[in-house]
Amino acid sequence: EVQLVESGGGLVQPGGSLRLSCAVSGFTLSSYEMNWVRQAPGKGLEWVSYITSSGSGTTIYYADSVKGRFTISRDNAKNSLYLQMNSLRADDTAVYYCARDRSWSGNPGYFDYWGQGTLVTVSS
Amino acid sequence: DIQMTQSPSSLSASVGDRVTITCRASQGISNYLAWYQQKPGKGPKLLIYGASILQSGVPSRFSGSGSGTDFTLTISSLQPEDVATYYCQKYNSAPITFGQGTRLEIK
Repeated sequence: EVQLVESGGGLVQPGGSLRLSCAVSGFTLSSYEMNWVRQAPGKGLEWVSYITSSGSGTTIYYADSVKGRFTISRDNAKNSLYLQMNSLRADDTAVYYCARDRSWSGNPGYFDYWGQGTLVTVSS
Repeated sequence: DIQMTQSPSSLSASVGDRVTITCRASQGISNYLAWYQQKPGKGPKLLIYGASILQSGVPSRFSGSGSGTDFTLTISSLQPEDVATYYCQKYNSAPITFGQGTRLEIK
């Protein structure tokens, strides 16, 4: 059974940092491209970042709203995806989901499995 | 960036009704369109990809159509378990964008 489990969320002050993790099971992480998507309380879905599967030719994309502040990474040996979030702002408050990509094209595609999400609250 | 606009933003229908949700892209995206269902407190669930391809395990009452800029998600006979918010998503190129969502309720 495919499972994605996010962790690392919590309350952080504006300007602070947080590192989210997504532990996957039921499939081989190295074979899939992955994404982070967020959802502010009571709002819609916002794509955050994408990373290709592995190797020296790794491709990464970010939404403009997080570029320069967030860093996506992966450790295929640990079956884990990460999102390092720096310089956090109040408008980064959201549930953060990791999602498995099905495009295999070097560009983000559609997402066939999602985690349950982890809540990040940025507030003083 | 390409914008995705869904309509209506909310919808109330009776069990057994045929329900249609539309999604319009601000530029042509061929058939690079997916639909998701999200229930409260849960991550989204993939329903349709490639504008019209039903994801494995999704009930056949769900169908998708369209190409270019105009797309529809249809539920042929609404069931109580279909109460959820539905999102379209374009994926022809980065950045990925989602529609604003359509909240579906039972009348």
